[in-house]
Amino acid sequence: KQEVTQIPAALSVPEGENLVLNCSFTDSAIYNLQWFRQDPGKGLTSLLLIQSSQREQTSGRLNASLDKSSGRSTLYIAASQPGDSATYLCAVRSSNTGNQFYFGTGTSLTVIP
Amino acid sequence: SAVISQKPSRDICQRGTSLTIQCQVDSQVTMMFWYRQQPGQSLTLIATANQGSEATYESGFVIDKFPISRPNLTFSTLTVSNMSPEDSSIYLCSVSPGQGYGEAFFGQGTRLTVV
Repeated sequence: KQEVTQIPAALSVPEGENLVLNCSFTDSAIYNLQWFRQDPGKGLTSLLLIQSSQREQTSGRLNASLDKSSGRSTLYIAASQPGDSATYLCAVRSSNTGNQFYFGTGTSLTVIP
Repeated sequence: SAVISQKPSRDICQRGTSLTIQCQVDSQVTMMFWYRQQPGQSLTLIATANQGSEATYESGFVIDKFPISRPNLTFSTLTVSNMSPEDSSIYLCSVSPGQGYGEAFFGQGTRLTVV
């Protein structure tokens, strides 16, 4: 079974700092990996989707990379803002179990003004 | 992409009662997914709902407790039956347009508190 781990569990940074969130997974047989943002008590907002054949995706201040062979992905956030404060989840769609999504436990980010 | 409307956004329910959560998508999709997120935890898949067939439940979830309807390609409901405080969670529906392997989109979630 696919296991997804996110480190760190919580992160607090001053406004303007660049930061990296990490996601690792145990089975490299994946269709894709997706990063989400979740505000407290709310649903998930899709940030970036990386297909298994891709190495990275960018959207605005966000850049996600994927190293499928080593089972790792990173989400880079440039010039962080207080509005970036949220929980960030990564999820992998594992090809060995149909199209099921496996979620990490998330990184809770606080950006201090 | 897909826009998902989920209702209600939150509810406080009495022990032993049932709550039905609705999920409406702005486009036709083959599969709809229901997840549970317990306090402080990540998401766990409850079941996959295909139009015209019985939902497929994951280990640990049963139809009697979480009956699902899927009357058409844009709508689904999840009922949480005979609720107990342990059912207090956020419930989310999700879709992946196309063949179901692409980008996933989520509703805004239903925050359920059972007292």
